[in-house]
Amino acid sequence: QSVLTQAPSASGTPGQTVTISCSGSSSNIGSNTANWYQQLPGTAPKLLIYSHNQRPSGVPDRFSGSKSGTSASLAISGLQSEDEADYYCAAWDDSLNGHWVFGGGTKLTVL
Amino acid sequence: QVQLQESGPGLVKPSQTLSLTCSVSGGSMSSDSYYWNWIRQRPGKGLEWIGYIHHSGITYYNPSLKSRVNISVDTSKNQFSLKLRSVTAADTAVYYCARESGPTVSSRSFDYWGQGILVTVSS
Repeated sequence: QSVLTQAPSASGTPGQTVTISCSGSSSNIGSNTANWYQQLPGTAPKLLIYSHNQRPSGVPDRFSGSKSGTSASLAISGLQSEDEADYYCAAWDDSLNGHWVFGGGTKLTVL
Repeated sequence: QVQLQESGPGLVKPSQTLSLTCSVSGGSMSSDSYYWNWIRQRPGKGLEWIGYIHHSGITYYNPSLKSRVNISVDTSKNQFSLKLRSVTAADTAVYYCARESGPTVSSRSFDYWGQGILVTVSS
């Protein structure tokens, strides 16, 4: 049972916009920033979005993040076949002296 | 370009200690801005944070693993290491090392990752 809650799966067709949500609490997303990671099959996770809505250099602007209260969202516009991957949210949690927590991951399928 | 590379045994016997090393290249570990993490992923499952170390020696561990984990750093070799004691089959996972960076504790992220190493716990 992950501390951050994500739907296990999502899907869309090429060109569509897909949104993946991450629900947390006041001790994590509510007081710290959310980050998003993309994990392509058989590879290590890659930082996609940090500080709720910032993109590292090289990440296409089709990827965007937002936060509302204790939840964060990742939107992927102009969906492409290469976006098929697992997506994880993460945040620092202030409880128990502080620790990182992850969502359970959302597997995105491009139909 | 910063690169991280995990190394260590791919097979560990139950009740023994899992030991892994992460070698960092392309940058110094001694910057105050960086924290050096271990994260694992059980087969077919999500990501689980194990803990981190700062070059100063400060460590933070996942509360659920704290009693079995030790992370150490050797800045002279640009390496940091993980020891996980009393392993069971439930510790079978791909283990990643990752750099954590950011301006404040509440706004950091894992910006560089190693490729991961599969460790199987089995007799």
